[in-house]
Amino acid sequence: GENVEQHPSTLSVQEGDSAVIKCTYSDSASNYFPWYKQELGKRPQLIIDIRSNVGEKKDQRIAVTLNKTAKHFSLHITETQPEDSAVYFCAAGFLSIKGNMLTFGGGTRLMVKP
Amino acid sequence: SQTIHQWPATLVQPVGSPLSLECTVEGTSNPNLYWYRQAAGRGLQLLFYSIGIGQISSEVPQNLSASRPQDRQFILSSKKLLLSDSGFYLCAWALNTEAFFGQGTRLTVV
Repeated sequence: GENVEQHPSTLSVQEGDSAVIKCTYSDSASNYFPWYKQELGKRPQLIIDIRSNVGEKKDQRIAVTLNKTAKHFSLHITETQPEDSAVYFCAAGFLSIKGNMLTFGGGTRLMVKP
Repeated sequence: SQTIHQWPATLVQPVGSPLSLECTVEGTSNPNLYWYRQAAGRGLQLLFYSIGIGQISSEVPQNLSASRPQDRQFILSSKKLLLSDSGFYLCAWALNTEAFFGQGTRLTVV
């Protein structure tokens, strides 16, 4: 099955700096790579995703890159703000009508210091 | 629009007691449904998934079971809880798209 590794497990940055979280996956059949943000005590919420036919995707201060050859993908947050503080999860899976199996990384606790 | 309901939000149960967590989805038909567990400070572990009524697949051997008696209802159960069953349980649904999570149930086994 799929195995997703996520690094670092904790990340502390100053407000305004950039944050980068990296994930690797093992199953070359995976074609869908979402990122979720989980605030304390709340449910994970999708913030951005990328599909295997795209190398990079941006949404305002958030960007995700995908390298299918190397089987790794990364989340980039620029101009970080205190409200970006949360746990971020990457996931890898195969998106299809019959099923949508996601394997999650272990999470990264991001702390943005004002 | 689609919504997912999960209850209860918090639960404290003694060791050896039974468990029943319920999840329902509205606004969609034949969704794929999932139960995840998140131990304190850890990632999301897939426990069960279901692609249809009565169709349950288990990802990890454990003290828990799941059932899908109706198209949009997914139940997580245990006959006898263990201390190690404590955690944050999340129901999720997906239909050829990203997964959407319920609010979660924080289970504490004492």
